[in-house]
Amino acid sequence: AQTVTQSQPEMSVQEAETVTLSCTYDTSESDYYLFWYKQPPSRQMILVIRQEAYKQQNATENRFSVNFQKAAKSFSLKISDSQLGDAAMYFCAYRSAEVQGGSEKLVFGKGTKLTVNP
Amino acid sequence: DTAVSQTPKYLVTQMGNDKSIKCEQNLGHDTMYWYKQDSKKFLKIMFSYNNKELIINETVPNRFSPKSPDKAHLNLHINSLELGDSAVYFCASKGEHPWNEQFFGPGTRLTVL
Repeated sequence: AQTVTQSQPEMSVQEAETVTLSCTYDTSESDYYLFWYKQPPSRQMILVIRQEAYKQQNATENRFSVNFQKAAKSFSLKISDSQLGDAAMYFCAYRSAEVQGGSEKLVFGKGTKLTVNP
Repeated sequence: DTAVSQTPKYLVTQMGNDKSIKCEQNLGHDTMYWYKQDSKKFLKIMFSYNNKELIINETVPNRFSPKSPDKAHLNLHINSLELGDSAVYFCASKGEHPWNEQFFGPGTRLTVL
């Protein structure tokens, strides 16, 4: 079974600075998808960024980018120019690519709580 | 319009009661899920349904029974509620290939007293 590990329960960053959140995963599959979700205090789960394993190029979405290292099974999230609104729980998630018909499930890490200091 | 909606958003009840949480998606997706987020914020899959058919049942106690009257709805009924059932329950709906991105509802915070 796949597992996702986020080794940083909490992180903090100064406004306008850059922070990197770590995520590693364990899988024997060759193709899969990786996601970062943000959960602010409102508890809504918001997709931040996604990466397909067979694409070498790291995904970017505005101030958010990932460092995907497939061999190391690492998928870190970098937030540049941090804003107060970035404060939230961040979850790394894994999904297999080789299943169909509703059997895809997201496997989540335990989350990293990010605090942004003004 | 809200893509995935859940009712109620908050539910407080006594141990031993039976309660239901409703979920509806207006995205036209075939697959829906229930996830549980415990007090330590850990999110775990409970069930998935594809076109009203149960696909995933992740060793959830049989006091939990999902029901899908049509592919736009996936409700969660919980019998004989226990203190340990207190959690936030999220419904999600799966988008199109290849990303099959899951769109989450706002969550229902269940508190069992």
